[in-house]
Amino acid sequence: DSGVTQTPKHLITATGQRVTLRCSPRSGDLSVYWYQQSLDQGLQFLIQYYNGEERAKGNILERFSAQQFPDLHSELNLSSLELGDSALYFCASSPRAGPNYGYTFGSGTRLTVV
Amino acid sequence: QQQVKQSPQSLIVQKGGISIINCAYENTAFDYFPWYQQFPGKGPALLIAIRPDVSEKKEGRFTISFNKSAKQFSLHIMDSQPGDSATYFCAASRGGGYNKLIFGAGTRLAVHP
Repeated sequence: DSGVTQTPKHLITATGQRVTLRCSPRSGDLSVYWYQQSLDQGLQFLIQYYNGEERAKGNILERFSAQQFPDLHSELNLSSLELGDSALYFCASSPRAGPNYGYTFGSGTRLTVV
Repeated sequence: QQQVKQSPQSLIVQKGGISIINCAYENTAFDYFPWYQQFPGKGPALLIAIRPDVSEKKEGRFTISFNKSAKQFSLHIMDSQPGDSATYFCAASRGGGYNKLIFGAGTRLAVHP
């Protein structure tokens, strides 16, 4: 157990729907990162939060949004889902803002859009 | 400038052999180069990392070699074991601040007994 908890582990939903993925960071970690992993794209950075504030954005679609709550857990909201959104979504946390502190990844949420 | 190119895509090595995975980057501002190991059904886990002020870092059977002038770095796994079979990702970033890791596409390693 890495200490980063992601729920749900699996999600199957239809095109056009909206889903919410949840991440609880490792105890004491202030930074949360969201990554999308698909077969042909590797790990693609979506967004970073630090202590409740958005700090960096990658190629995140406008249909996707995220937030980090006062208890530091984070949610990634995916709406108007398309088949191409099917992927593994990983959350990672780190103690502080820089990646040199080491990312701890959760086990991911596998999203299947049918 | 943000890309990290990783090769090979897949690698088969016999038990006891040396596994070598290579990565190249473009952004000369990058100063943190970690390798992550991912087993099926799990998230990536930090294996070893290097900064550009050293040319080599060794931890057990795992060694990172770094060539700053060529903008390349590689992971060597000595005495490869079946338990090393996993997907390996190189990554790069500027280490501090609100920077994020840029990952390579991954290498699927299979170590045959």
